[in-house]
Amino acid sequence: DGGITQSPKYLFRKEGQNVTLSCEQNLNHDAMYWYRQDPGQGLRLIYYSQIVNDFQKGDIAEGYSVSREKKESFPLTVTSAQKNPTAFYLCASSLSGTSGSETQYFGPGTRLLVL
Amino acid sequence: GNSVTQMEGPVTLSEEAFLTINCTYTATGYPSLFWYVQYPGEGLQLLLKATKADDKGSNKGFEATYRKETTSFHLEKGSVQVSDSAVYFCALIRAGGTSYGKLTFGQGTILTVHP
Repeated sequence: DGGITQSPKYLFRKEGQNVTLSCEQNLNHDAMYWYRQDPGQGLRLIYYSQIVNDFQKGDIAEGYSVSREKKESFPLTVTSAQKNPTAFYLCASSLSGTSGSETQYFGPGTRLLVL
Repeated sequence: GNSVTQMEGPVTLSEEAFLTINCTYTATGYPSLFWYVQYPGEGLQLLLKATKADDKGSNKGFEATYRKETTSFHLEKGSVQVSDSAVYFCALIRAGGTSYGKLTFGQGTILTVHP
């Protein structure tokens, strides 16, 4: 079955530590996205990528980094510069990222907690 | 900039009641509009979408009509079930410019349906 997988489901971070969240898709989509969800709020875009080896900052990129070395994979690193990382992180993908009517498909999410 | 405003929740209904969740938007051009649903502990699933004015999206008994004159995309269902309990997000993708593929979300509305 085609879809998006995220791992781990839960992740614990210590102070000063970088952690990496995995996102893999087998939908053959060109575009991938990372969103952050906080309680009682909508989702906010962290980074997005429309093609391999290229990515763009979203609305809240500070303290985060990404890479896009393969079409299927778009890992997100939460760095120690992100002072409030506790949140639910959602990865999404879409066919091209260039259409104004395109549906984005979401993974099951990773919940990040700070120890 | 673009924005989406949803009615504040939580919304609590009895089974078989009529549901309306209001959504209004601000955007330049002609955005596409979406309703996503999030069940507890999961990622988002597309519920329905509409890509131009007067389009009606529908799925699983839910409907929403793209009203450009009132910049609204209200979600309705004639008879809710306990299994509809979830968080509902209204969202838009702006058409044009350099922001293709960037979803802008409302803050979400929690729906609880009691037997």
